[in-house]
Amino acid sequence: NAGVTQTPKFRILKIGQSMTLQCTQDMNHNYMYWYRQDPGMGLKLIYYSVGAGITDKGEVPNGYNVSRSTTEDFPLRLELAAPSQTSVYFCASRTGFQETQYFGPGTRLLVL
Amino acid sequence: DAKTTQPPSMDCAEGRAANLPCNHSTISGNEYVYWYRQIHSQGPQYIIHGLKNNETNEMASLIITEDRKSSTLILPHATLRDTAVYYCIDPTGNQFYFGTGTSLTVIP
Repeated sequence: NAGVTQTPKFRILKIGQSMTLQCTQDMNHNYMYWYRQDPGMGLKLIYYSVGAGITDKGEVPNGYNVSRSTTEDFPLRLELAAPSQTSVYFCASRTGFQETQYFGPGTRLLVL
Repeated sequence: DAKTTQPPSMDCAEGRAANLPCNHSTISGNEYVYWYRQIHSQGPQYIIHGLKNNETNEMASLIITEDRKSSTLILPHATLRDTAVYYCIDPTGNQFYFGTGTSLTVIP
């Protein structure tokens, strides 16, 4: 199993541009998560999903959108990139409630 | 916001036990305490979790107080590779809240 994979690894965006961060897991996990991590800080939850077709907001959802059409994929969409969205983005998945989360390697995003 | 409190940094001599404390005084009765670590800027790595009883696996031991308001992660024989930021997490339902964790430095 590849586990949780994220693409791209690094991206530079101009202010106002849009992009989609991809996340795929091959462990047949129902739950998936998106976090962001600013320098020197802990991870903050953006959105999560408990199954295909179901998504919910986390701690910092503003400026982002998600969709969950399949069990495997959970893309994160930035519509109008802002410098405040410069961060490292991590995707994670787990089988269910009270189970362990497995994290991807992260996507570094720089908005200039 | 994170519901746990951890010291910002700790040092440990190589080969000695590293004891990392965490306060989670508002934890609910059915929530597990989870410990993760993050090496450099990699994705967080799961270490261990527990509900009431002490737990041990190949990486670490977890000691949970009887009132469940605090816990201690024990790395029995710390190595240089254990230098990382360690996060103690008290979830709320499906949401994990990461604080700033404890930066552990293992000294040769």
